[in-house]
Amino acid sequence: DVKVTQSSRYLVKRTGEKVFLECVQDMDHENMFWYRQDPGLGLRLIYFSYDVKMKEKGDIPEGYSVSREKKERFSLILESASTNQTSMYLCASRPGTGAFSNQPQHFGDGTRLSIL
Amino acid sequence: RKEVEQDPGPFNVPEGATVAFNCTYSNSASQSFFWYRQDCRKEPKLLMSVYSSGNEDGRFTAQLNRASQYISLLIRDSKLSDSATYLCVVRKSGGSYIPTFGRGTSLIVHP
Repeated sequence: DVKVTQSSRYLVKRTGEKVFLECVQDMDHENMFWYRQDPGLGLRLIYFSYDVKMKEKGDIPEGYSVSREKKERFSLILESASTNQTSMYLCASRPGTGAFSNQPQHFGDGTRLSIL
Repeated sequence: RKEVEQDPGPFNVPEGATVAFNCTYSNSASQSFFWYRQDCRKEPKLLMSVYSSGNEDGRFTAQLNRASQYISLLIRDSKLSDSATYLCVVRKSGGSYIPTFGRGTSLIVHP
C-alpha cells in the first residue's frame, strides 16, 4: 500500500511565524502535490513537483513556497503565516514517469493548521 | 462554466437504495477520470478509476459518457457506511499533468 505521511495532524501557529509542513511518501513517486481544502471551495492546488528540485505553481501559490531536495519528501513553507492560511492542508503523491501520468493520486492524512 | 462540476447535494437516501451522481467536465480533451471518497475531516481516498467502457467494483459502477462530457457513479444497496462526500477528478490530455477536482457531492444514507 502507498503511504503518504504528513508530519502533523494538527498545528497551531501565530501570525507572522514561518511554518513548515512536511510530507513523505514511501513509493518512489515522481509527482508530489500540496493542496489546501476549505469549506465550499474544494481542493485547491498550491504547488506541485514532478521531480527532485523541480516545482511548479498551482492555482494559489501566493504566500507559500516549497522544497523538494529528495524524491520522497516535499515540504510546504508558509513564509509569514497569516490568519487566512488557516485551513486543512493535504499532500498527495502519484506514480508515473515524469509529467504525464494517468495514475491516481494518493493523499496523506492532512494537517489542520490554525493561525492565530 | 467550471472545469469540473458536481451537484453538492446532499443526497439523502435510505439504506438499501440505489443512488447515482453525475460529474460534468468542460474540456473535451480530458483523458483520465477518477472517483474519490472523502469522509468528514479525513483525506480523499481513491474509490475507483473510470474507464471508457465503464467499470464495476462490487456495489459501485462508474461510467464515462464522452459525447455528453460527464462521468457517473452508481451505488447499489446503499449502506450507512457509504455516507461521505464523493469527489470526481478529471485530468486533461495534451501536456497537463494536473488533475482537476470537483467540489464533491455529499451522500447521507439513513436507517
